[in-house]
Amino acid sequence: DAMVIQNPRYQVTQFGKPVTLSCSQTLNHNVMYWYQQKSSQAPKLLFHYYDKDFNNEADTPDNFQSRRPNTSFCFLDIRSPGLGDAAMYLCATSRDRDRDTQYFGPGTRLTVL
Amino acid sequence: SQQGEEDPQALSIQEGENATMNCSYKTSINNLQWYRQNSGRGLVHLILIRSNEREKHSGRLRVTLDTSKKSSSLLITASRAADTASYFCATVANSGGYQKVTFGTGTKLQVIP
Repeated sequence: DAMVIQNPRYQVTQFGKPVTLSCSQTLNHNVMYWYQQKSSQAPKLLFHYYDKDFNNEADTPDNFQSRRPNTSFCFLDIRSPGLGDAAMYLCATSRDRDRDTQYFGPGTRLTVL
Repeated sequence: SQQGEEDPQALSIQEGENATMNCSYKTSINNLQWYRQNSGRGLVHLILIRSNEREKHSGRLRVTLDTSKKSSSLLITASRAADTASYFCATVANSGGYQKVTFGTGTKLQVIP
């Protein structure tokens, strides 16, 4: 049974054209995270929501925004994608703030033309 | 940076052999987790070891933690071709009022049938 779902799995956008990636979860977890992972690198945390409380990482570019309209859904908006934003974007959830275990979605691979 | 360093970066073994991966980190942690990632997929949580634990087992996995050396190792015994994947350690540490997860650089394991 799918627990963390990401759509689409592959996304192609043009340089500078806004794009939105979506994530949904059936776990009813309080915390949702967005990571960026470039080829052969570690996942890098962009931001997370604890319930409705948004927490941005200090080095996340302003170009990246997020929305969490309800417990189940979280969106990653890239306002003006650059070539350097091409990456795998991973959504994850955890039950609570203690972050003992994160459950990851399959990821969305973003290509910027 | 708290980011873990893993070694080796890549490891190639024959099916049936044991695989050992190491992770080192820089600051105090609450717990350390190991994740597995198949190519082009999301991460799957394997095992968590708390800072007051020294060793933990789960099936063919054995994890050790040495907080004095700030290092951990993941041992996969009797490896199978299906174990081929990238393995990441992730440290959980207090950061700005919450517990932050930081992923290491990963070890790419290839198990040859």
